[in-house]
Amino acid sequence: DAKTTQPNSMESNEEEPVHLPCNHSTISGTDYIHWYRQLPSQGPEYVIHGLTSNVNNRMASLAIAEDRKSSTLILHRATLRDAAVYYCILRGVNYGGSQGNLIFGKGTKLSVKP
Amino acid sequence: ETGVTQSPTHLIKTRGQQVTLRCSSQSGHNTVSWYQQALGQGPQFIFQYYREEENGRGNFPPRFSGLQFPNYSSELNVNALELDDSALYLCASSIPAGGKYEQYFGPGTRLTVT
Repeated sequence: DAKTTQPNSMESNEEEPVHLPCNHSTISGTDYIHWYRQLPSQGPEYVIHGLTSNVNNRMASLAIAEDRKSSTLILHRATLRDAAVYYCILRGVNYGGSQGNLIFGKGTKLSVKP
Repeated sequence: ETGVTQSPTHLIKTRGQQVTLRCSSQSGHNTVSWYQQALGQGPQFIFQYYREEENGRGNFPPRFSGLQFPNYSSELNVNALELDDSALYLCASSIPAGGKYEQYFGPGTRLTVT
């Protein structure tokens, strides 16, 4: 399985942008890059995903390196509610089998200071 | 649009017993995946159901089994409970699994085995 590497923890100040990095040097050409986050005592929450191009949605932006070996999740203005564990996950294009599902690592624990 | 729901919220069982956990998928989603999350760890993929058939399984023994019903809701059954089965059990629904689509998670069922 392709794997990702993320820092164990990061800190941010409220209302400042946050850049969460992810390395995935063994990514295959058909792997999508997914980001989920998990707030304390809740199930994981989908944040954003992409294949090659940068992506924006109401929650965040995803910047994908040209060689696709790394990506960055960008929270434009961190709030206290953004404090969570953020998971960067590679997901195969095919459905079925374990490849089509999410293989979670340990993620990055983001702390947001007021 | 109704999100993913799970029942019960919490459950306490004794070692050796059997347990059934339930999940209702998000409207329009025909694929359900189950995950186990031990304390302090990321979720681990158990298995996936698509159109009432299991079509992918992680590294879990056969005493973990499941069902999916015609309305796409799902059950996770665990026989001969062991202490290590204590965890948060999460279900996630999606349009046919695969990297192109995101998964939406329920809040989880917290199982404690004593």
